[in-house]
Amino acid sequence: EPEVTQTPSHQVTQMGQEVILRCVPISNHLYFYWYRQILGQKVEFLVSFYNNEISEKSEIFDDQFSVERPDGSNFTLKIRSTKLEDSAMYFCASSGGWSRPGANVLTFGAGSRLTVL
Amino acid sequence: AQSVSQHNHHVILSEAASLELGCNYSYGGTVNLFWYVQYPGQHLQLLLKYFSGDPLVKGIKGFEAEFIKSKFSFNLRKPSVQWSDTAEYFCAVTIPNTNAGKSTFGDGTTLTVKP
Repeated sequence: EPEVTQTPSHQVTQMGQEVILRCVPISNHLYFYWYRQILGQKVEFLVSFYNNEISEKSEIFDDQFSVERPDGSNFTLKIRSTKLEDSAMYFCASSGGWSRPGANVLTFGAGSRLTVL
Repeated sequence: AQSVSQHNHHVILSEAASLELGCNYSYGGTVNLFWYVQYPGQHLQLLLKYFSGDPLVKGIKGFEAEFIKSKFSFNLRKPSVQWSDTAEYFCAVTIPNTNAGKSTFGDGTTLTVKP
């Protein structure tokens, strides 16, 4: 079964450092997402990406965050200057969109745990 | 904007007990509904989904959920839980045919099944 893969699985960084989380979505999917789950809290939507641009972003997704699909296969989330409160599990997801019935089911990756010290 | 409420934050059951986890959403139009499970240390996995048709949907591992439009609910059920069902359960809603197609998640319900 096709998978969404994420790297790294765990990253520890110092406050103020830049972090890039990488995702390889399912190959024929068109919509890409990043979600965040702070320990013990719910899964929160960060951003969606379609046709090489951001479709929607949440209040959490401020200027410190950016996303990119640099090469047609990877989908990255960059945090420019990490803060302690950025410590969370970051999930990438992709979906086939609305091209056919039932295609809009999100498939999630295993997540990247970010620890900011 | 849509929102999702899961009223049970932590449920503790003994093996073989029946399970029902509540999920209510707030959105007046057509919705797609999902239940995800997150086993300890693992990623989110889709349990079941509802798009249209029969409001009683069956998912993996013996789970089912019933969509009751008049109550804006999509409760998850399992007749007899097992210790291996111990996990976090998330209800989610998506508004179909929107460009973003993002899912909004509930707070989650932690299920602990005692052997």
